[in-house]
Amino acid sequence: NAGVMQNPRHLVRRRGQEARLRCSPMKGHSHVYWYRQLPEEGLKFMVYLQKENIIDESGMPKERFSAEFPKEGPSILRIQQVVRGDSAAYFCASSLRLAGAYEQYFGPGTRLTVT
Amino acid sequence: AQTVTQSQPEMSVQEAETVTLSCTYDTSESDYYLFWYKQPPSRQMILVIRQEAYKQQNATENRFSVNFQKAAKSFSLKISDSQLGDAAMYFCAYRSGGRDDKIIFGKGTRLHILP
Repeated sequence: NAGVMQNPRHLVRRRGQEARLRCSPMKGHSHVYWYRQLPEEGLKFMVYLQKENIIDESGMPKERFSAEFPKEGPSILRIQQVVRGDSAAYFCASSLRLAGAYEQYFGPGTRLTVT
Repeated sequence: AQTVTQSQPEMSVQEAETVTLSCTYDTSESDYYLFWYKQPPSRQMILVIRQEAYKQQNATENRFSVNFQKAAKSFSLKISDSQLGDAAMYFCAYRSGGRDDKIIFGKGTRLHILP
């Protein structure tokens, strides 16, 4: 039973380029969460998605960041025109979100480096 | 808004000894969950222990136990018989029991195990 998968594990982008981070939830999970971890910090919530819906994007920067979770395929976190301050580890988590089963299971993260 | 505070950026403990990591939180909610996550150098987020706020009994998982003081809003983690593999960052975290799914993390405590 594969866990949450994220790819790539490491991503290097030059300033101004686009970054696409992918997250495949655990089998059967239809809820995905994205968190960002800046160096020497805890994880900060960015966005919560259900299949084809954004449920809560209160932690997403207003510009350049977007997320989707299509009916088929992985969830994508997209960062346009990256800047040095976007360098961080981005974690995805998934859950069943049924009564009694709210646990979020984390992927290994994608480390984004902007040069 | 809920907050989670970890006042110890780093701690060290001798192998086989016991160590306690501190965490306080602030919330006006009565229904919530508290967690301790471990993040080893691989960066994978590993759930160590979970506590439901409505349960008076402190959660225990093998060598890991918590001291949950609801009135004081304190949630400390005790690691007994420390092992070299326990060396990691430890994050205290909070999640509402309602519809708000996001997990709120503290800044973490880096635990060193001395052989």
